Amino acid sequence: QSVLTQPPSVSAAPGQNVTISCSGSSSNIGNTYVSWYQQLPRTAPKLLIYDNSKRPSGVPDRFSGSKSGTSATLGITGLQAGDEADYYCGAWDSSLSAWMFGGGTKLTVL
Amino acid sequence: EVQVVESGGGLVQPGGSLRLSCAASGFTFSSYAMTWVRQAPGKGLEWVAAVSGSGRNTYYADSVKGRFTISRDNSKNTLYLVMNSLRAVDTGEYYCAKNPIGAAGNGYSFMDVWGKGTTVTVSS
Repeated sequence: QSVLTQPPSVSAAPGQNVTISCSGSSSNIGNTYVSWYQQLPRTAPKLLIYDNSKRPSGVPDRFSGSKSGTSATLGITGLQAGDEADYYCGAWDSSLSAWMFGGGTKLTVL
Repeated sequence: EVQVVESGGGLVQPGGSLRLSCAASGFTFSSYAMTWVRQAPGKGLEWVAAVSGSGRNTYYADSVKGRFTISRDNSKNTLYLVMNSLRAVDTGEYYCAKNPIGAAGNGYSFMDVWGKGTTVTVSS
């Protein structure tokens, strides 16, 4: 059971928009920054969003992040087949003194 | 190009030991904290350990505390993970990742550059 809770899977058709939620608590998301990672099949994870909503250079603006209270959301607009991947949220937990990842969400592009 | 490359994975018996290495290039290694993350087959990401840029401060997941040791040699631009008393549940892909600042153990401990991973299999 992960400290950060994500839906196991989401799906949508190409061109549609999708959101992935990440729910935590006051000891992690509620008092620090959230980051998001994309793991394409059979590859290493890649940083997608940091500081709740910032995109590293090279990440398309179709990807966005937001945070409210103890929850965070990853948004993807104009879905493409190449977006099919596992997505993970992450944050430092000050009570556990450990980094936490969500359980991951598998995005299927129908 | 900023790059980290893991090595040292392999097959080891339960109770055995292994040392993973991560060679860094393209950035001032000593200025950045570093992290190990693992992924069991078919499972999600699990944070394992982190070390500050100076090497003075280390942090561990409860699942590996007392068995694994993270360290770094800034003169060799190399990160290490020594794994002792290995168990079958330690099997998986081990990723080395760079953090964006020198301090570890805080809200800026996200991973901005990842290696391709090295595979550890614990089995008799």
